[in-house]
Amino acid sequence: SQQGEEDPQALSIQEGENATMNCSYKTSINNLQWYRQNSGRGLVHLILIRSNEREKHSGRLRVTLDTSKKSSSLLITASRAADTASYFCATDRGSTLGRLYFGRGTQLTVWP
Amino acid sequence: DTEVTQTPKHLVMGMTNKKSLKCEQHMGHRAMYWYKQKAKKPPELMFVYSYEKLSINESVPSRFSPECPNSSLLNLHLHALQPEDSALYLCASSPFSSGETQYFGPGTRLLVL
Repeated sequence: SQQGEEDPQALSIQEGENATMNCSYKTSINNLQWYRQNSGRGLVHLILIRSNEREKHSGRLRVTLDTSKKSSSLLITASRAADTASYFCATDRGSTLGRLYFGRGTQLTVWP
Repeated sequence: DTEVTQTPKHLVMGMTNKKSLKCEQHMGHRAMYWYKQKAKKPPELMFVYSYEKLSINESVPSRFSPECPNSSLLNLHLHALQPEDSALYLCASSPFSSGETQYFGPGTRLLVL
């Protein structure tokens, strides 16, 4: 039931550095979303980018979407220890029932 | 109120027990979802309710029984579970069943002994 694939699977950086995570998918989409999950908690929606958009910003987050390559990237600038979490991309394939297809996720660790 | 709540936060049950997980939202959302998530894996969709009607059942074993009493509540009844059913169970809602943002609850951590 998964569609997206994130890479890297794990990323470890120092505070203040930028973190880039990538997501690839296989079929056409209406939108792509990024979610964050702190250990053992629920997912928190970060940003949604529609298929006709190429870039979107929200605070320290920058998301790009390349529909020709079927890929997206999430950039977190000036990372903080509090950004330590798992990050998932999820795609909307246009199901009439609103189903999202989640990728395998990237585990980001930010060291103080 | 922009929150999805889930109770209990933790649950330990034996294989012969019957228990229920509860999910509630007061955002007026018309679609609600149950997901199962194992450690270091993405959430797996189990059920989708749209306008209080079950719309997707991802071939989940019958020992999981969903119920949507009204548009704000979603239950997951558990019976005769197996140890491999131990996982984090997440509830989510969205305004419509349209592939837009889903709002997740904090989850119920279930351990089956």
